[in-house]
Amino acid sequence: DGGITQSPKYLFRKEGQNVTLSCEQNLNHDAMYWYRQDPGQGLRLIYYSQIVNDFQKGDIAEGYSVSREKKESFPLTVTSAQKNPTAFYLCASSISQGRRNSNQPQHFGDGTRLSIL
Amino acid sequence: GQQLNQSPQSMFIQEGEDVSMNCTSSSIFNTWLWYKQEPGEGPVLLIALYKAGELTSNGRLTAQFGITRKDSFLNISASIPSDVGIYFCAGQLRGSSNTGKLIFGQGTTLQVKP
Repeated sequence: DGGITQSPKYLFRKEGQNVTLSCEQNLNHDAMYWYRQDPGQGLRLIYYSQIVNDFQKGDIAEGYSVSREKKESFPLTVTSAQKNPTAFYLCASSISQGRRNSNQPQHFGDGTRLSIL
Repeated sequence: GQQLNQSPQSMFIQEGEDVSMNCTSSSIFNTWLWYKQEPGEGPVLLIALYKAGELTSNGRLTAQFGITRKDSFLNISASIPSDVGIYFCAGQLRGSSNTGKLIFGQGTTLQVKP
């Protein structure tokens, strides 16, 4: 079945530690996105990538890093510089927007819940 | 940054009742999307709207893209217990279609009493 797979489902981080969240999709989508969700709030964009080997900062990129070496993978690293990392992290993908107004909707994985030890 | 104002924040209704929620903004949007999220899972797309005035149904769900392009509503008719969850609106600003970036509302938490 085609879809977006996030792993692990739950992750714990120690002080000063970097952790990496995995996101893999087999939908052949060009664009991928990382969001952070806090209780009672909407989703906030961390980073996004429209094509392999290219990515842009979203609204809350500080303390996070990403890579896009393969079309199907977009891992997110939560660095020790992120002082409040406890949240639910969601990965999404969509068909490339291209230069025309295609407005393709984003589809989401099931998320990773990150907590601090 | 840009914001979407989604209301109500939460609803507690009786099974069988109809539900209405909406999102508004001071900005113009090219696309409106409605998602539902259940606990511990990612949002699932319910309805996508692409034209001002567009009215689209998906079973008991109906959503509309406002004429002014600054708002959208979602209605659920004859609610059932499995409608429980958080409903999010998301919009794509005019001029941002080449990036695919979405702006999300704060969500409406729906609880249904059997």
